[in-house]
Amino acid sequence: GAGVSQSPRYKVAKRGQDVALRCDPISGHVSLFWYQQALGQGPEFLTYFQNEAQLDKSGLPSDRFFAERPEGSVSTLKIQRTQQEDSAVYLCASSWGGRAYDEQFFGPGTRLTVL
Amino acid sequence: AQKVTQAQTEISVVEKEDVTLDCVYETRDTTYYLFWYKQPPSGELVFLIRRNSFDEQNEISGRYSWNFQKSTSSFNFTITASQVVDSAVYFCALSEAEGAGTASKLTFGTGTRLQVTL
Repeated sequence: GAGVSQSPRYKVAKRGQDVALRCDPISGHVSLFWYQQALGQGPEFLTYFQNEAQLDKSGLPSDRFFAERPEGSVSTLKIQRTQQEDSAVYLCASSWGGRAYDEQFFGPGTRLTVL
Repeated sequence: AQKVTQAQTEISVVEKEDVTLDCVYETRDTTYYLFWYKQPPSGELVFLIRRNSFDEQNEISGRYSWNFQKSTSSFNFTITASQVVDSAVYFCALSEAEGAGTASKLTFGTGTRLQVTL
């Protein structure tokens, strides 16, 4: 079927605003990852879901970042009280099983700009 | 802790030249997986190859080839007879065998931007 989709593709927020970024993984994929990619850098891990369970959130940079996947499919990454340093591309990826050898399929990302 | 280093920030070549992108990794695990991804200007990461730590056999796929050497902790990527469509940022990534309750997350290098011109 379709690949991983993310919305919105671009988001401009004023500092202090809350934002919500959506990820639709490939149908049937158990595992879902969020990564943050700063300009000129490689993606950095934020959090991981296996079905609806958030098994690893060690990469979330602060308690302003919150992610959920309530029904084990669509996921939302929420950033509260955005700061300028939150400006980045947020990538979502999904895989069949989340094992180390599983290929992760990436979405096009959401580019967040905080003014 | 795992780490991936791509020392080449940017490479420019003329079409039809061969080019090698370097990747050096660090890990304490004996079981791990190495990946290469391509990120074209559209932004979507595209999977190119995966190798596991027990398979050092080099691989060739069309104009692409990969050289995995555990002795030097390197996993280099060569494009033969480069084309303009190869212009993109290329990322090397490492995944360690997951432990209980942890994710098999990818650790990426900083990427190498390849510019192929006519």
